[in-house]
Amino acid sequence: DTEVTQTPKHLVMGMTNKKSLKCEQHMGHRAMYWYKQKAKKPPELMFVYSYEKLSINESVPSRFSPECPNSSLLNLHLHALQPEDSALYLCASSLDRTYEQYFGPGTRLTVT
Amino acid sequence: DAKTTQPPSMDCAEGRAANLPCNHSTISGNEYVYWYRQIHSQGPQYIIHGLKNNETNEMASLIITEDRKSSTLILPHATLRDTAVYYCIVRGSWTSGTYKYIFGTGTRLKVLA
Repeated sequence: DTEVTQTPKHLVMGMTNKKSLKCEQHMGHRAMYWYKQKAKKPPELMFVYSYEKLSINESVPSRFSPECPNSSLLNLHLHALQPEDSALYLCASSLDRTYEQYFGPGTRLTVT
Repeated sequence: DAKTTQPPSMDCAEGRAANLPCNHSTISGNEYVYWYRQIHSQGPQYIIHGLKNNETNEMASLIITEDRKSSTLILPHATLRDTAVYYCIVRGSWTSGTYKYIFGTGTRLKVLA
């Protein structure tokens, strides 16, 4: 298995909803990442997990809450989002933090 | 951390070589250059990376100038499926226990039939 999978592909949520994004890889990678990408912009790093521990939080608002339950799975819990949080959310993984990152297809999130 | 500058768009005829430039004049000695591409609405795809020497793999070649202030990604025989946004990335310095990707603004490559 040589890919990063993300579910759901699309998500529409209201500002009072709670939802979660899921990312999975079975490549034995020990570093996992969340990025946010607005239209026609490059991805922006949000969080980095290394060996299931959070190593970087790029000053992301607390309405985004990451979780790494095991080495293959990364979640992003969403609560009380704003319309400006609408974006493509990308997950990536790498063998460890020194190796190239492999990206999933993303979840397109719309906040209404 | 170094920044990268790329032309916003380029066209290339199908079957010809596509040469995508990137300027990273403030790169430091231990910062790698990575290239990714992103086909519409998909996740970025890793292409190649290098530090000092030129690199080649089955997808592309990476030419880094001797002073390391710029690089060129070469797709030797572009096809319509190579139409994408190409990002030149400097892998920044080790910070808080990891390396961060410093993305450029990307070059939108259109391969013409």
